[in-house]
Amino acid sequence: KAGVTQTPRYLIKTRGQQVTLSCSPISGHRSVSWYQQTPGQGLQFLFEYFSETQRNKGNFPGRFSGRQFSNSRSEMNVSTLELGDSALYLCASSPGTRYEQYFGPGTRLTVT
Amino acid sequence: AQKVTQAQTEISVVEKEDVTLDCVYETRDTTYYLFWYKQPPSGELVFLIRRNSFDEQNEISGRYSWNFQKSTSSFNFTITASQVVDSAVYFCALSEASTGANNLFFGTGTRLTVIP
Repeated sequence: KAGVTQTPRYLIKTRGQQVTLSCSPISGHRSVSWYQQTPGQGLQFLFEYFSETQRNKGNFPGRFSGRQFSNSRSEMNVSTLELGDSALYLCASSPGTRYEQYFGPGTRLTVT
Repeated sequence: AQKVTQAQTEISVVEKEDVTLDCVYETRDTTYYLFWYKQPPSGELVFLIRRNSFDEQNEISGRYSWNFQKSTSSFNFTITASQVVDSAVYFCALSEASTGANNLFFGTGTRLTVIP
C-alpha cells in the first residue's frame, strides 16, 4: 500500500497570506490527523477528521481549519499567516481510533 | 493534565553499544495508549510501537525492546547493539480515550547519535 502523501512538500508564503495543505491518507484509512512541529513548541496536535467530521481539535486559533472529503483526503488551511506559523506540518492517518497512526513526510511552511 | 517527559535531550553512543531511551508519562485516564516514533533526518515520523494501558507485557522486536511499567508511569525503549542507522530523534507519545485516542501528546524527543 502507498503511504501517506502530503503536498506540497515545501512552501514559502508571506505574512498575511493564506495557505492550503493537502494530505492523502493510506487507502482504507478514515481518520486523518494534523500536527504542527516547531523547534520551540515541539509536536502539537491540530485536529482530527473522521468520515468528513472533525472529531477532535487541539489548542490552536481559529485561523487554523481543516476539512475532509468523502475519499478521506484532507486539507488544512491557515489564514492570515504569521511568522510563528513557520513549521513542519505533518499529517497522519489510521483506520480508526484503536489503531496506530502513520505519518506522511510533512509540508515545510516558511512564512516571511 | 496529560504530559510526556523525555528527560534525555541528546544521547551519543558508539556503535554496538546498548542504549535506553526514557519516557515518563502523566495521565488521569485509566484507558490510554503509549507510542514510540522515530524521526530520521528526512523528517517523516516512523511508527515503532503502540501499547494500551491494560497491556503491561514487555515487547521485543529484533534489536528493539520496550519496558512498560504502570507503577512508575514509564515506557522505556532499549536499542540493543546500536547501529549508525539508528541515529534519529525518538519521540514518546501518549493518547487518552477521554481526549481522543488519535490525539497524540508528544514528548520533546531524544536525539540519538550512534558513532561508528
